Amino acid sequence: KAGVTQTPRYLIKTRGQQVTLSCSPISGHRSVSWYQQTPGQGLQFLFEYFSETQRNKGNFPGRFSGRQFSNSRSEMNVSTLELGDSALYLCASSPTRLRGDSYNEQFFGPGTRLTVL
Amino acid sequence: AQSVTQLDSHVSVSEGTPVLLRCNYSSSYSPSLFWYVQHPNKGLQLLLKYTSAATLVKGINGFEAEFKKSETSFHLTKPSAHMSDAAEYFCVVTLRTGNQFYFGTGTSLTVIP
Repeated sequence: KAGVTQTPRYLIKTRGQQVTLSCSPISGHRSVSWYQQTPGQGLQFLFEYFSETQRNKGNFPGRFSGRQFSNSRSEMNVSTLELGDSALYLCASSPTRLRGDSYNEQFFGPGTRLTVL
Repeated sequence: AQSVTQLDSHVSVSEGTPVLLRCNYSSSYSPSLFWYVQHPNKGLQLLLKYTSAATLVKGINGFEAEFKKSETSFHLTKPSAHMSDAAEYFCVVTLRTGNQFYFGTGTSLTVIP
């Protein structure tokens, strides 16, 4: 089974631009989560999508948005980029997202490294 | 609310000696706990998970962790460190019925030859 894939792997943008990152989950996984990793803040949860609906959202400004398609692929968008948005953005997929499930391991992709100049 | 505290930001061991990476958690409800490893410029790989079965959990590459509810701890151990174990390790807590992961700040493990 192919793992979680993220494209592109590297991006360089300038302040004020916008960017779209893509994530393809493991086949059959319906839950996709996004995380931001920076040296100063560590790993922070952005949002989670399940069946095209945002189920959870972290504490990030509205410039950060996402969506999920019917095939479970997900995109996240960052508008009006700031220098502080430079980070590794990780996507993770999970096999289940039903209440009462005790099994909720997440499988991570390699990440997209975004540099804002 | 859920959170984890990784008690050491950096651990250094000699090759062949035991590894201990400490993690304490806080959770309002029954938690699931995970340890992930991240090698440089790579994504996160699951080492092991606790989801209410046995309290002593065995993972990949000889790692194991013990869930101690009374101490709210989930420390990661390995009897003998290998050079390839050098990486960043993250302790993670989530609710059993939830899918939002709460990461610790990470422990950087250095293995000295």
